[in-house]
Amino acid sequence: EIVLTQSPATLCLSPGERATLSCRASETVNSMYLSWYQHKPGQPPRLLMYRASTRAAGVPARFSGGGSGTDFTLTISSLQPEDSAVYYCQQDYKLTLWRFGQGTRVDIK
Amino acid sequence: EVHLLESGGGLGQPGGSLRLSCVVSGVTFSTYAMTWVRQAPGQGLEWVSSISRSGACTYYADSVKGRFTISRDNSKNTVYLQMNSLRAEDTAIYYCGKAWYNGSRDECFATSDYWGQGTVVTVSS
Repeated sequence: EIVLTQSPATLCLSPGERATLSCRASETVNSMYLSWYQHKPGQPPRLLMYRASTRAAGVPARFSGGGSGTDFTLTISSLQPEDSAVYYCQQDYKLTLWRFGQGTRVDIK
Repeated sequence: EVHLLESGGGLGQPGGSLRLSCVVSGVTFSTYAMTWVRQAPGQGLEWVSSISRSGACTYYADSVKGRFTISRDNSKNTVYLQMNSLRAEDTAIYYCGKAWYNGSRDECFATSDYWGQGTVVTVSS
């Protein structure tokens, strides 16, 4: 079972600041199977990144993803008010238990 | 435009059953794997189940294995989630998602690029 641990649990930053979100896996995950979602209350999840670093359609360039092995990162280069949300990483690597991380909440001051 | 519409949620009795449906339009449904995820009140996202484009592969979270069954009817552009032996902890918003992958591999994928608005399931007596 691959467990994804996200940190920090909450991030409180001002507009224009850079946000760095971490997703650490308990064992190696092929980066082809690591994705990031944005989730706002009352809305469905929104795919931001797949294959760890490929932006989904319509996702602004201020969002970027990277990492490999057990450590992955989502970066928001210049926070906008509309980026306030919970962000989840997810792996669907191998036929192990597929999970989301527990999420990082991003609050904009 | 891709559109997913879930239905079938509502109030279910503990030990009872509900069947969720998700109709997909705007894409060639039969070329995409599909997924269900849920969010319980005050909790994060939980992956529930996925099915490959042909239905040959199905995969479940441990929390629903043996109780829920995912299926699809490619002639109706619809994916289903049959939920049996309902428990209070199944109370959640259920979302269906379309896999981003449309290659040649007929496998289960969870990563989804389009989602429905969700259907609410409440399990209570």
